[in-house]
Amino acid sequence: NAGVTQTPKFRILKIGQSMTLQCTQDMNHNYMYWYRQDPGMGLKLIYYSVGAGITDKGEVPNGYNVSRSTTEDFPLRLELAAPSQTSVYFCASSYPGLAQDTQYFGPGTRLTVL
Amino acid sequence: KQEVTQIPAALSVPEGENLVLNCSFTDSAIYNLQWFRQDPGKGLTSLLLIQSSQREQTSGRLNASLDKSSGRSTLYIAASQPGDSATYLCAVGSTGNQFYFGTGTSLTVIP
Repeated sequence: NAGVTQTPKFRILKIGQSMTLQCTQDMNHNYMYWYRQDPGMGLKLIYYSVGAGITDKGEVPNGYNVSRSTTEDFPLRLELAAPSQTSVYFCASSYPGLAQDTQYFGPGTRLTVL
Repeated sequence: KQEVTQIPAALSVPEGENLVLNCSFTDSAIYNLQWFRQDPGKGLTSLLLIQSSQREQTSGRLNASLDKSSGRSTLYIAASQPGDSATYLCAVGSTGNQFYFGTGTSLTVIP
């Protein structure tokens, strides 16, 4: 299994541009998450999904959108990039139930907005 | 809103020492608590997961405890090694599938 994969690894955007961060997992996990991590800070939950077709907001959803058309994919969309969205973005997945709540993380996407 | 605090922010110890990392949270109505390791420029690796009904979990040289009533968890690392150098994060799972992370403890183990 590849686990959780994210593309791209790095990206520089200009203010106002749009982009989609891709996330794919091959573990058949129901739950998927998007987090952002600012320098010296903990991770903050942006959006999560408990299954295909179901998404919900986390702690910091403003400026982002998500969709979940398949179990495997959970893309994160930035419509009008702002400098405040400069961060490292992590995707994670899990299979809740019993002892299976462990979250598995992707390697991250480092985004800079100039 | 759940607030998660980790103390100390940074820790430097000589190789072979036993050490304790602390995590505190403000709302005791948690679903689970997870400890992660993060290496520079990398993603997070899960170390231990404690369900709300459990008191501790062990994996090799690692032991994590949970005291919900006092809002605390500790991660105990025995016989530390230079390869343990990393940032350690705790994350509290609350109802509604919300997860709250601490800011981490940066550990350096000196050979």
